Amino acid sequence: SAVISQKPSRDICQRGTSLTIQCQVDSQVTMMFWYRQQPGQSLTLIATANQGSEATYESGFVIDKFPISRPNLTFSTLTVSNMSPEDSSIYLCSVGSLAGQPQHFGDGTRLSIL
Amino acid sequence: GDSVTQMEGPVTLSEEAFLTINCTYTATGYPSLFWYVQYPGEGLQLLLKATKADDKGSNKGFEATYRKETTSFHLEKGSVQVSDSAVYFCALREETSGSRLTFGEGTQLTVNP
Repeated sequence: SAVISQKPSRDICQRGTSLTIQCQVDSQVTMMFWYRQQPGQSLTLIATANQGSEATYESGFVIDKFPISRPNLTFSTLTVSNMSPEDSSIYLCSVGSLAGQPQHFGDGTRLSIL
Repeated sequence: GDSVTQMEGPVTLSEEAFLTINCTYTATGYPSLFWYVQYPGEGLQLLLKATKADDKGSNKGFEATYRKETTSFHLEKGSVQVSDSAVYFCALREETSGSRLTFGEGTQLTVNP
């Protein structure tokens, strides 16, 4: 399976600032996804990162708050903009390829906003 | 839409006890089903999968069988260890939904020595 590296692994940020999270994969993948896991909760899909075009956002998530880039088939970034304490979560990148095959996850970025 | 329901947690067991974590799903098509595990402070790891009815996924002593008639994918292990303490997530992936994963609520398992 693909090896997925996320940076940073954790951060503590001030409210009103923005943070960009990087996701690097050791092989080309068709699909990349970004999830949010709020404290003690399950995972919620934020968006699908599309190579060469705008990301596809899920209901409740908007590009202005969570801009995503995907310049190639091995790399994507998620920015959490204008952060507030409610954005304190774990943000996870995942990758998938063939239909029916599992997605694989990075170790996540643990974000706390003061 | 698609949904996954897991048994309410948390679950606390003694070492070597039998484990069952229930998972049922609702889907419009024929999803693939997965169990993921999240150890403390880590990301999600795939534990096992099943892609069609009656498939049995297994790994590290854990098993789950894709039951289409009861729309279930219950996770079982015959003898748990302290190292199995983690959060377990049931998930489905339906290709008609853009290949996104839909997760259950997660079940916290604590195994005491």
